[in-house]
Amino acid sequence: AQTVTQSQPEMSVQEAETVTLSCTYDTSESDYYLFWYKQPPSRQMILVIRQEAYKQQNATENRFSVNFQKAAKSFSLKISDSQLGDAAMYFCAYRSALADMRFGAGTRLTVKP
Amino acid sequence: EAGVVQSPRYKIIEKKQPVAFWCNPISGHNTLYWYRQNLGQGPELLIRYENEEAVDDSQLPKDRFSAERLKGVDSTLKIQPAELGDSAVYLCASSFDGGRIYGYTFGSGTRLTVV
Repeated sequence: AQTVTQSQPEMSVQEAETVTLSCTYDTSESDYYLFWYKQPPSRQMILVIRQEAYKQQNATENRFSVNFQKAAKSFSLKISDSQLGDAAMYFCAYRSALADMRFGAGTRLTVKP
Repeated sequence: EAGVVQSPRYKIIEKKQPVAFWCNPISGHNTLYWYRQNLGQGPELLIRYENEEAVDDSQLPKDRFSAERLKGVDSTLKIQPAELGDSAVYLCASSFDGGRIYGYTFGSGTRLTVV
């Protein structure tokens, strides 16, 4: 079964600094998609960035980028120039043709002014 | 464009009482999902609809949970009777491509507290 593991329950970063959130997954499939979602206290899950497994190039969205290591089954999120509004729970997620979206347990990110 | 709309936003009920949650997905999204999120954990899928058909309800506790999606649009998730362990956030999401490429769009969820 496909599983997603986030080993960092909590992380903190100084405003304007860079932070990396870790995610690993387990799958035997070759075609799948990976996502990072942000969940602020409002509870709505907001898509931050996505990556297709068949693409070697790492996805980037403004201050957010990923380090996708397919062989290692690793998918980390880097947030550059952290802002107070980045404070939230971050969830790594996996989706494939055989599996509905599965989430990790989340990482709570605190941004210190 | 309106997002995924859920109601109510909060619900407090006594155990053994029934409760229902409502979801209106994004127009044109044929796939609808209900997730449950326990405190401090990631969301877990309860049921997935393709139009009005439930195609994956393997994680839905069918002894007390039921769901429907009439006319392939709005959906209702019901719990009867509720138990203390049902306290959680219930999230609804929708997608038009199965979510494989563009992910799911989520609502703000209903926080259920069973006392």
